[in-house]
Amino acid sequence: KAGVTQTPRYLIKTRGQQVTLSCSPISGHRSVSWYQQTPGQGLQFLFEYFSETQRNKGNFPGRFSGRQFSNSRSEMNVSTLELGDSALYLCASSPPGQSDYEQYFGPGTRLTVT
Amino acid sequence: AQTVTQSQPEMSVQEAETVTLSCTYDTSENNYYLFWYKQPPSRQMILVIRQEAYKQQNATENRFSVNFQKAAKSFSLKISDSQLGDTAMYFCAFMRTINNNDMRFGAGTRLTVKP
Repeated sequence: KAGVTQTPRYLIKTRGQQVTLSCSPISGHRSVSWYQQTPGQGLQFLFEYFSETQRNKGNFPGRFSGRQFSNSRSEMNVSTLELGDSALYLCASSPPGQSDYEQYFGPGTRLTVT
Repeated sequence: AQTVTQSQPEMSVQEAETVTLSCTYDTSENNYYLFWYKQPPSRQMILVIRQEAYKQQNATENRFSVNFQKAAKSFSLKISDSQLGDTAMYFCAFMRTINNNDMRFGAGTRLTVKP
């Protein structure tokens, strides 16, 4: 099976712009979670989608949003970018059933805001 | 709120020796999951080992084992026969229950295996 894929891998944006990141989960996985990784704050949970519905949400401002499509692919959007949004954004997918807690991570999208 | 603490920012070990990484957590939950993830330099995060809180037996995966002390809220990772490929950031993580994939991570321990 192919692993979790994220596109693009690298992105440079300017303050004030918006950005959309994409995540394709492992085939058969229905849950997709997003994390932000920065040197200062470490790994922080953004949100989780399951069957096209947001199931959990972390403590991030409303500029961070996401969605999930019927094929389980997920996108996250950050509007009005700030310098502090520069980070590695990781997504992870989880299999259905009793192994729901196992998360498989993608390689991440490195976002740089200038 | 759940917090995860890794008190060792960096560690090093000689190849073939054993090293233990520490992790403590704080929660009022009784049922939860604990994980160790490995993030090699410029590579993606992979699951090393997991522990269900309701299981008393410590989890083991080949050279990796944990010492889970539920009362003390401690979850350390032991790597035996360290290999150069074990060089990575190691993150301890906590998750409350299934259907709730809000995983909380520690700050990480950078492990270097020296030849």
